[in-house]
Amino acid sequence: EAQVTQNPRYLITVTGKKLTVTCSQNMNHEYMSWYRQDPGLGLRQIYYSMNVEVTDKGDVPEGYKVSRKEKRNFPLILESPSPNQTSLYFCASSFRGLAGGQETQYFGPGTRLLVL
Amino acid sequence: QKEVEQNSGPLSVPEGAIASLNCTYSDRGSQSFFWYRQYSGKSPELIMFIYSNGDKEDGRFTAQLNKASQYVSLLIRDSQPSDSATYLCAVSYAGNNRKLIWGLGTSLAVNP
Repeated sequence: EAQVTQNPRYLITVTGKKLTVTCSQNMNHEYMSWYRQDPGLGLRQIYYSMNVEVTDKGDVPEGYKVSRKEKRNFPLILESPSPNQTSLYFCASSFRGLAGGQETQYFGPGTRLLVL
Repeated sequence: QKEVEQNSGPLSVPEGAIASLNCTYSDRGSQSFFWYRQYSGKSPELIMFIYSNGDKEDGRFTAQLNKASQYVSLLIRDSQPSDSATYLCAVSYAGNNRKLIWGLGTSLAVNP
């Protein structure tokens, strides 16, 4: 089954404790992206990756890191989480650089993070 | 600043009626247009995409694109209570990133 998986699905942590949210896709997509979603603010892109070893900042990258060492995986790292990073996080993937609908993004199930 | 605008709603329709959702976008270079449905606390799921002017139908859903007026709409025929969700409009534009620009969504409530 074609899918994007994320782990963990729910996480409660404390300020300053490093954490990693994993994302994996089995569709051989080049493009992967991380979003956070907050009430009234919609989906905001954190980081994206056009391919292995190619990553770039999205709209709200502060406080986050990513890496893309393999095509299927795109982990999101919070080195020192703070309460304002409490949010619902989504990973998404798509084919890269195409148009006509082929750039459709497919989303993982989401990770709900609470930072105390 | 590329923007995608949607009426936040809530849009309330009776069961069996047609729900009409609208989206406008600011960048004339936009190339593909997407409608996603999102249930509360769940991930967005694609309903359909459109990239040519005109209508595109898929079951009870019809997407309409008018590039001259810079709007895209989604019609849901025979609305069901299970259609109650937030509908997100997203637009891609030409560029190295093919980044999607997202609207904030329209909340739809279908009343039995």
